Amino acid sequence: DVKVTQSSRYLVKRTGEKVFLECVQDMDHENMFWYRQDPGLGLRLIYFSYDVKMKEKGDIPEGYSVSREKKERFSLILESASTNQTSMYLCASSFEGGLLGNEKLFFGSGTQLSVL
Amino acid sequence: AQSVSQHNHHVILSEAASLELGCNYSYGGTVNLFWYVQYPGQHLQLLLKYFSGDPLVKGIKGFEAEFIKSKFSFNLRKPSVQWSDTAEYFCAVTAFGNTDKLIFGTGTRLQVFP
Repeated sequence: DVKVTQSSRYLVKRTGEKVFLECVQDMDHENMFWYRQDPGLGLRLIYFSYDVKMKEKGDIPEGYSVSREKKERFSLILESASTNQTSMYLCASSFEGGLLGNEKLFFGSGTQLSVL
Repeated sequence: AQSVSQHNHHVILSEAASLELGCNYSYGGTVNLFWYVQYPGQHLQLLLKYFSGDPLVKGIKGFEAEFIKSKFSFNLRKPSVQWSDTAEYFCAVTAFGNTDKLIFGTGTRLQVFP
């Protein structure tokens, strides 16, 4: 089975802190994604990457950045955390070379981030 | 802009009741359509998908969905729900030639009581 592992299940940070959320997948997938999940808003795409060192903005990239130095690892960075970034963050991966075609995503268990 | 609407935010059913969750999308071109499910405390997983061919697709655990192009809909159905179907259900769409990204709906929370 594909495994997408997010380093922390729960995280509590203070306003202004720099936050790193890590995600690792073990199936050599090209595509990796970061979503945030909020009640009533569903999943919203923050950033995605379809290759090492490549990144593309999703629908809500403001306040976030990403890093993909290795194929299996995709990091989400909050440069200066704010309270409105309190959310559940989901990492996902898929095995197509591009974004077309089979968009079956494999999700991690999520990181619940609270910014105080 | 491409969007996905799930009009039922919270559905409460008794076991053995029939289920239909609505999903509509706003794009006139070629689409791929998905339903994902998130059981309590678990990660999101694919329930079923439509790419082409028979518009009635069958997924895991007795779920099915019908793609009706003229109505821009992809409703999820199950004839008889079980308590274990309690979960949050997300419809998602990839619109080719538009954003080419997977866009999720806001989700429907289903509660099934014994």
